[in-house]
Amino acid sequence: EPEVTQTPSHQVTQMGQEVILRCVPISNHLYFYWYRQILGQKVEFLVSFYNNEISEKSEIFDDQFSVERPDGSNFTLKIRSTKLEDSAMYFCASSPGAHSTDTQYFGPGTRLTVL
Amino acid sequence: AQSVSQHNHHVILSEAASLELGCNYSYGGTVNLFWYVQYPGQHLQLLLKYFSGDPLVKGIKGFEAEFIKSKFSFNLRKPSVQWSDTAEYFCAVNGNYGQNFVFGPGTRLSVLP
Repeated sequence: EPEVTQTPSHQVTQMGQEVILRCVPISNHLYFYWYRQILGQKVEFLVSFYNNEISEKSEIFDDQFSVERPDGSNFTLKIRSTKLEDSAMYFCASSPGAHSTDTQYFGPGTRLTVL
Repeated sequence: AQSVSQHNHHVILSEAASLELGCNYSYGGTVNLFWYVQYPGQHLQLLLKYFSGDPLVKGIKGFEAEFIKSKFSFNLRKPSVQWSDTAEYFCAVNGNYGQNFVFGPGTRLSVLP
């Protein structure tokens, strides 16, 4: 069964550094998402991406964050200048269509640790 | 703003016990409701979802959930749990406000053999 994959599984970075988290959505999916989960807190929506542009974003997704689909398979989340509070598990998800009833398929997550 | 609450932070059961995990949401519009499970070391997987029709939905691995609109609830049930059901369970909502999920805080289920 096709799966969403994410790399790396764990990223450690210094505060102020840029990080890029990578995701490979399921190949025929059209809608992509990033969520994050700070330790002990809820999974929170960051951004959705459709047709090569941001569809929705939360208030968490400020100017430090950006997303890109650089080629036909990868979907990336960039954090420009990391802060301590960016430490979290970041989940990528994809869904086959743009309807709200479509199942979102999640990747295994990337644990980001900012020192 | 939309929100989802889950009644229990941690539930501990013995094998063969029945399970009910509570989920309540606050949103006045049309909603779609989902239960996801995260087994230790694995990614979030869909257990079941509801968007219309029969309010009692059946999912994988013997799970079911009932949508009660008047109570804004979508409780997850399983008649007899197994040790392999040990996991974290997340209720999530989306709707005509947008496709992105609002998740509940999760309920950790520990099933004792």
